[in-house]
Amino acid sequence: NAGVTQTPKFQVLKTGQSMTLQCAQDMNHNSMYWYRQDPGMGLRLIYYSASEGTTDKGEVPNGYNVSRLNKREFSLRLESAAPSQTSVYFCASSAGPKDTQYFGPGTRLTVL
Amino acid sequence: QKEVEQDPGPLSVPEGAIVSLNCTYSNSAFQYFMWYRQYSRKGPELLMYTYSSGNKEDGRFTAQVDKSSKYISLFIRDSQPSDSATYLCASSGGSEKLVFGKGTKLTVNP
Repeated sequence: NAGVTQTPKFQVLKTGQSMTLQCAQDMNHNSMYWYRQDPGMGLRLIYYSASEGTTDKGEVPNGYNVSRLNKREFSLRLESAAPSQTSVYFCASSAGPKDTQYFGPGTRLTVL
Repeated sequence: QKEVEQDPGPLSVPEGAIVSLNCTYSNSAFQYFMWYRQYSRKGPELLMYTYSSGNKEDGRFTAQVDKSSKYISLFIRDSQPSDSATYLCASSGGSEKLVFGKGTKLTVNP
């Protein structure tokens, strides 16, 4: 049982490049989330998906897009990466809004 | 003011000490309170989950919520070096939007 998996684990981009972070869960969860974690700022919600086919903005959505491809997969896209997007990105999933969120191992992204 | 405030520490204690970690929150609608533990270069994992006010105990860990003062606490008894991690408090009103504190880095010295 893999839980929440994220790819890639590490990525270095140049300013202006685009990339997609992939997330998949095998727990049949309805809700999925993308967070970023920065020193001194804690975990901040970027986007979430309460169910397949729906997505909503979190606290810091600017510069990102998301796709809930199916119930298992939730991707995060940076269309034109900026140095301010250098961070560790975590995907999480939960059965519902009041349930425990399970986190993936994270993607460390550096934008030069 | 961030909705959930947490002293980032760092906190360093000797093995066997009782550790007290604390957060405050400002949103009266928050009813769900969690503590996550995050080891270095890993994802957060749920440690304790509490609904509304009161205490919850699990082994060496006790979570306490005082809604009247909007205060969340985590106590660790007989702390071990393996407890060295960053502890994150989090709260929500029941929606998907879980608000995290900044985390407190704890080191337990053998």
